[in-house]
Amino acid sequence: KAGVTQTPRYLIKTRGQQVTLSCSPISGHRSVSWYQQTPGQGLQFLFEYFSETQRNKGNFPGRFSGRQFSNSRSEMNVSTLELGDSALYLCASSSGLAGYGGELFFGEGSRLTVL
Amino acid sequence: QKEVEQDPGPLSVPEGAIVSLNCTYSNSAFQYFMWYRQYSRKGPELLMYTYSSGNKEDGRFTAQVDKSSKYISLFIRDSQPSDSATYLCAMSEPGGYQKVTFGTGTKLQVIP
Repeated sequence: KAGVTQTPRYLIKTRGQQVTLSCSPISGHRSVSWYQQTPGQGLQFLFEYFSETQRNKGNFPGRFSGRQFSNSRSEMNVSTLELGDSALYLCASSSGLAGYGGELFFGEGSRLTVL
Repeated sequence: QKEVEQDPGPLSVPEGAIVSLNCTYSNSAFQYFMWYRQYSRKGPELLMYTYSSGNKEDGRFTAQVDKSSKYISLFIRDSQPSDSATYLCAMSEPGGYQKVTFGTGTKLQVIP
């Protein structure tokens, strides 16, 4: 069974630009969530999508947005990039069913550097 | 103060040692408790998953949850160099679905 696939793996942007990251979940998984990982703050929850609907959202500014398509693939977008957005962005998939909170299967991440 | 506190280490032990990793938390609504392992330049992988209080054993790994003390532990017996990684504790609430709160991670090095 193929794992969670994230693209691109590495990217460099400059302040003010925007970026779109892509995630393909494990086949059959309907929930996709996004996390930001930085050395100082660790892993922080951005948002979760289930059946194309945002089901949960973390405490990030509106510059961070996402969507999910009918095939469960997901994208997240960060607009007006800031230096502090440099991080590893991790996508995780799961069945999304109630009673399985926290059983996440992570991709290898997209490492974003903002110059 | 963070909802989940975890000693960042690093923790260095000789091969074969018993390793104890711990986290404390403040949110009494947490019901799902996890340990993830993250190798360098990789995404986290789920190691142990526990619902509510109690112990769970899987091979060389044992997870313990003490909700009365808001304290969770992971024990690794007969540690191996391949166990060298960052260990993240994680927790979530019922109805929180995939919104998980992570500790900052403890970096473990097992020396041959």
